[in-house]
Amino acid sequence: NAGVTQTPKFQVLKTGQSMTLQCAQDMNHEYMSWYRQDPGMGLRLIHYSVGAGITDQGEVPNGYNVSRSTTEDFPLRLLSAAPSQTSVYFCASSLSRGLSGNTIYFGEGSWLTVV
Amino acid sequence: GEDVEQSLFLSVREGDSSVINCTYTDSSSTYLYWYKQEPGAGLQLLTYIFSNMDMKQDQRLTVLLNKKDKHLSLRIADTQTGDSAIYFCAEKKENNDMRFGAGTRLTVKP
Repeated sequence: NAGVTQTPKFQVLKTGQSMTLQCAQDMNHEYMSWYRQDPGMGLRLIHYSVGAGITDQGEVPNGYNVSRSTTEDFPLRLLSAAPSQTSVYFCASSLSRGLSGNTIYFGEGSWLTVV
Repeated sequence: GEDVEQSLFLSVREGDSSVINCTYTDSSSTYLYWYKQEPGAGLQLLTYIFSNMDMKQDQRLTVLLNKKDKHLSLRIADTQTGDSAIYFCAEKKENNDMRFGAGTRLTVKP
């Protein structure tokens, strides 16, 4: 049981480059989300999806795009990387958005540095 | 306030109890959580408490909830070096949004 898998684990980008962080879950979860974690701050929600074909913005969506063409995959795209996007990114999934916290699973994180 | 607030650092001696405190934002939050993050790893759910409870105990972990003050605490009894990690408080708001604190880095000294 792989759970939530994120790739890559580490990435260095130059300012202006684009890239995609991949996230996949094998638990048939409806709800998937992306967070970023910055020093001294809590996790902040970037985008989320309540099912295939449905996405919505979170707290800090600017500079990021998402899509949800399948239940399993929820990639996060950085359109034109900026140093302010240097962060650790976490993908998470749960059966549905409204259930209790014991169903939320996090990936291991992707460390992104933009130079 | 708008943020879930936690102290950033806590240091204890092995065998002592650790108490990590958190103030959350929304009195109508339905669930409150504690997550643990070890170095280089994702967040692991430790425990959670429903908003109509004021205490939950799970082995060495005790969660206390004061709804009036919007205060949540996590007590770890007999703290071990393996408990060294960052602990995040989080709330599930009424609209199902999750809001996380900045995390408390717990250091356990031998």
